[in-house]
Amino acid sequence: GEDVEQSLFLSVREGDSSVINCTYTDSSSTYLYWYKQEPGAGLQLLTYIFSNMDMKQDQRLTVLLNKKDKHLSLRIADTQTGDSAIYFCAERPNSGNTPLVFGKGTRLSVIA
Amino acid sequence: DADVTQTPRNRITKTGKRIMLECSQTKGHDRMYWYRQDPGLGLRLIYYSFDVKDINKGEISDGYSVSRQAQAKFSLSLESAIPNQTALYFCATSAYGLAGEGETQYFGPGTRLLVL
Repeated sequence: GEDVEQSLFLSVREGDSSVINCTYTDSSSTYLYWYKQEPGAGLQLLTYIFSNMDMKQDQRLTVLLNKKDKHLSLRIADTQTGDSAIYFCAERPNSGNTPLVFGKGTRLSVIA
Repeated sequence: DADVTQTPRNRITKTGKRIMLECSQTKGHDRMYWYRQDPGLGLRLIYYSFDVKDINKGEISDGYSVSRQAQAKFSLSLESAIPNQTALYFCATSAYGLAGEGETQYFGPGTRLLVL
C-alpha cells in the first residue's frame, strides 16, 4: 500500500531556513500536502501542490516536488519561534476513493 | 465559528465504559474521517465515510464503531474503553471533486481521551 515517510525531529536556530523532507511511494499521487499542528491544536492545511508542478511558493514557504524520486520538501525561510510545531506530509492516492495518506510528522523546534 | 467541531474536548473515563465522541461540520462536505494520534505514531485512520450511507474501516478499527447520523455529523464510539485507547482523537472532513483542492482534509480541534 501507499506509504509516506518523514524524519521525526528537526531543530533549527531562529532566523535560519528549515527544510522538512518527505518521501512517498505512490508515483501516481495527484496532490501532495503539508499540514501544521501547533501544540494543543488540530492540523491546519499549510499548502498543497498538484503533481504536475515542481515548485510552489507562498511567502516564507517553498514546496519542491521531485516526482522522479518521489520526494517532497517544505522550506521555511527566516524560521521564527512561532513556526515550532509538528509538520505532516500527506499524499492523495490516484485511486480516487482512498483517503489521504499521512506521514508520522516532523517535530520542528526553533531555538532562539 | 469553527467549521469542524468536536465534543467533548477532553474526557476521562474508566476501563469498560462506553463513550461517544461527536463531530459536526458546517462546511457542507460529504466525506468525514476519524483519526487517533499517539506520540511517535502520527495519525492513524480509524473509520471514514464518503456519504451518509457509506462507512469504511481504516487501519485500526478494532474496538471502535461509528455512526453517520447526517451529512454533517459523524460520531465515534468506544463500546468498552481500554487504557490503550488513551489518545488524541481528530475528526476531519473533505469534499469529493472540489476543483483545485484535491481531497484537502479539514480537521477539528481534537478530543483528548484518557482511559483509566
